[in-house]
Amino acid sequence: NAGVTQTPKFRVLKTGQSMTLLCAQDMNHEYMYWYRQDPGMGLRLIHYSVGEGTTAKGEVPDGYNVSRLKKQNFLLGLESAAPSQTSVYFCASSTGFSGANVLTFGAGSRLTVL
Amino acid sequence: GQNIDQPTEMTATEGAIVQINCTYQTSGFNGLFWYQQHAGEAPTFLSYNVLDGLEEKGRFSSFLSRSKGYSYLLLKELQMKDSASYLCAAMDSNYQLIWGAGTKLIIKP
Repeated sequence: NAGVTQTPKFRVLKTGQSMTLLCAQDMNHEYMYWYRQDPGMGLRLIHYSVGEGTTAKGEVPDGYNVSRLKKQNFLLGLESAAPSQTSVYFCASSTGFSGANVLTFGAGSRLTVL
Repeated sequence: GQNIDQPTEMTATEGAIVQINCTYQTSGFNGLFWYQQHAGEAPTFLSYNVLDGLEEKGRFSSFLSRSKGYSYLLLKELQMKDSASYLCAAMDSNYQLIWGAGTKLIIKP
């Protein structure tokens, strides 16, 4: 059981380039999330999805787009990368919003924008 | 505004006990989570509290006081593998998680 898988694990981009991070989960979870983690800061929610075909903005959505065409996949896109988007990105999934909404995280994708 | 505060770093000795504190301010409250994150790895779930009191799970316990906006994670019989960051997160009235910056716990032999 793989859980949550993110690809790629590492990527270096030049300013202005575009890329897509892929997240796949095999737990049949309804909800999926994209977070970024920066030194000295808590995890910040970029976008999330409450089901196939739905997406919603989180705390820091600017400069990112997402799609959830299939229940098991959640894609995060950067159309024109900026150095401020250098970060570690985590995908997570859960069964749904409720009190004990436990998140299962992927291993992370480290992105550097030069 | 919504805010989570926890110490940046703590040091403890192998075999000892350590308490990591977390204070929170949120718009409404639907529970408090603790996650463990080893360096370079994904956060993993440790505990969830929504009612006041202490929840014990093996060597780890978590406490919540809703009236004080306060929680702590208690780690007993510390082992070297407990060296990690511990993330506190509170769930607000919209079921959104507000995350602390994490407490890096260093265990010394």
